[in-house]
Amino acid sequence: RKEVEQDPGPFNVPEGATVAFNCTYSNSASQSFFWYRQDCRKEPKLLMSVYSSGNEDGRFTAQLNRASQYISLLIRDSKLSDSATYLCVVNSNSGYALNFGKGTSLLVTP
Amino acid sequence: EAQVTQNPRYLITVTGKKLTVTCSQNMNHEYMSWYRQDPGLGLRQIYYSMNVEVTDKGEVPEGYKVSRKEKRNFPLILESPSPNQTSLYFCASSLDSVNGYTFGSGTRLTVV
Repeated sequence: RKEVEQDPGPFNVPEGATVAFNCTYSNSASQSFFWYRQDCRKEPKLLMSVYSSGNEDGRFTAQLNRASQYISLLIRDSKLSDSATYLCVVNSNSGYALNFGKGTSLLVTP
Repeated sequence: EAQVTQNPRYLITVTGKKLTVTCSQNMNHEYMSWYRQDPGLGLRQIYYSMNVEVTDKGEVPEGYKVSRKEKRNFPLILESPSPNQTSLYFCASSLDSVNGYTFGSGTRLTVV
């Protein structure tokens, strides 16, 4: 079983919609959690870290549920520019290595 | 500008011809790592380094070598490249295990 699992999508949503992605992780000792965004053939870019208390950055909200070992990302009022692949990332036991999910593809349409 | 710089961006080479992909960061980060990304497999870690002269294997280290002689540089060496090493490679660095990694722009390697 892969350490980090995501629904690959694609999620096709209209502009202005709210969309949510979930991700599950297998290592209960993991301490750091992130969402990355990757545009086609480009490098992954850190979207936001995910904290136990949940955190919000503009239209983006991230939640962590340690008991169920899942992480979520909510995007409100979707923009065309939000179209990308969203990667769920969890640190390893050692804390030095990151484990990436395979990503969830989002396409926002006019 | 704070960044991770990889070179070259694109490389086509032949089987067995040794090559090095360079990676340099200007943020004084201790942690550096190499990943490869393949369709359907996502990003997989090749090697990582916690500091100068300290490296360890990631998920897919076979066929690769790394070195960390200076804090800013973390080259990836393919001693005898094979076609199954055709991939998109990313170097990344981080201040510590709590913060996320900053990625380089990637190196698209084709081995024929």
